[in-house]
Amino acid sequence: EVKLLESGGGLVQPGGSLRLSCAASGFTFTDFYMSWIRQPPGKAPEWLGVIRNKANGYTTEYNPSVKGRFTISRDNTQNILYLQMNTLRAEDTAIYYCATGSLDYWGQGVMVTVSS
Amino acid sequence: DIQMTQSPSVLSASVGDRVTLNCKASQNINKYLNWYQQKLGEAPKLLIYNTNNLQTGIPSRFSGSGSGTDYTLTISSLQPEDVATYFCFQHNSWPTFGAGTKLELK
Repeated sequence: EVKLLESGGGLVQPGGSLRLSCAASGFTFTDFYMSWIRQPPGKAPEWLGVIRNKANGYTTEYNPSVKGRFTISRDNTQNILYLQMNTLRAEDTAIYYCATGSLDYWGQGVMVTVSS
Repeated sequence: DIQMTQSPSVLSASVGDRVTLNCKASQNINKYLNWYQQKLGEAPKLLIYNTNNLQTGIPSRFSGSGSGTDYTLTISSLQPEDVATYFCFQHNSWPTFGAGTKLELK
């Protein structure tokens, strides 16, 4: 059974940083693209970016809305996906989800609140 | 970016009704269109991938169709547990979601 469990969310001040983690199990982690998506309260989800699988060199792509501030990485020995978020703004407040492949399986999400 | 427009934004229907939700892309997305169901307080769940493929474990009352820029999710007989918000999502190019259709019981 595919399981994804996000952690690391919380309250952070504007301009601050936060790193989210997503622990994956139930599938061969290195075979899969992995994505981050966020959803502001009451709004539609927004795709943030992807890190490709081993066969595609673990390369990354980002939504222009977060490119340069957010970085996706993965630890393929521990099956963990990361999202490093820097220079956070109030508009980054959202539930953050990790997901597999073409967003077929999602974690339960973690809340990030950017506020002073 | 490809814009995804969903209609209607809110839909009220009765148990047993046949329900149709629409999603229109601003350009051809070559059937790279997924549908997600999101219940209150939960993560989105994949229902249909690549226009018309039913995800494992999803009831057969859900179906998808479309091509080019126009896509449809159909629920053949609405059940109380189908109350949710439904999002379309294109992954033909930079991935984007629609704004959602909120499905309510009449």
